[in-house]
Amino acid sequence: DAGITQSPRYKITETGRQVTLMCHQTWSHSYMFWYRQDLGHGLRLIYYSAAADITDKGEVPDGYVVSRSKTENFPLTLESATRSQTSVYFCASSEPGVNEQFFGPGTRLTVL
Amino acid sequence: RKEVEQDPGPFNVPEGATVAFNCTYSNSASQSFFWYRQDCRKEPKLLMSVYSSGNEDGRFTAQLNRASQYISLLIRDSKLSDSATYLCVVTYTGDMRFGAGTRLTVKP
Repeated sequence: DAGITQSPRYKITETGRQVTLMCHQTWSHSYMFWYRQDLGHGLRLIYYSAAADITDKGEVPDGYVVSRSKTENFPLTLESATRSQTSVYFCASSEPGVNEQFFGPGTRLTVL
Repeated sequence: RKEVEQDPGPFNVPEGATVAFNCTYSNSASQSFFWYRQDCRKEPKLLMSVYSSGNEDGRFTAQLNRASQYISLLIRDSKLSDSATYLCVVTYTGDMRFGAGTRLTVKP
């Protein structure tokens, strides 16, 4: 099906483990984004990518790594998970010059 | 101070009521403004853009006051299906900043 998908939808991990959250879009949108959503903070941008092999930091990048070797995929890696990274993570995509972002269904990550 | 501030609510209103949400933003150079809707445990979706001239989409009216750095959303004749969290979004040089959201519950 066309759209933007995220996997896994739910993940429980332990402090110090590496975790990778996947994001895949079928629209060939140039821009892709990773946000985290926490109570009282709204959505905060972690990293974004303007095109394959081009990534840049957002508002809260510390502790996260991204890559974008293909236009359709934008994985987010927590290299050594901490409890403060327990959150709901949303991936989004958009076209340049178009302000609307399309969001994936989210990944609920719990770090114990 | 947060860049985009909203009253978190919750707003509990009966069906048919009119309800208004406000949002303030701190960056006077902000360029574009939106309202997104987020249902419980779902992803945000664009509800409508906000223009200085105001815009209306059915029962929804959005207004922007650049001088006061203030955005509003008015919902008339509330439906049960309007129950959701409404996110105010402001962009600056393509960077989107989201408010924490205002939760609305419409009751029968």
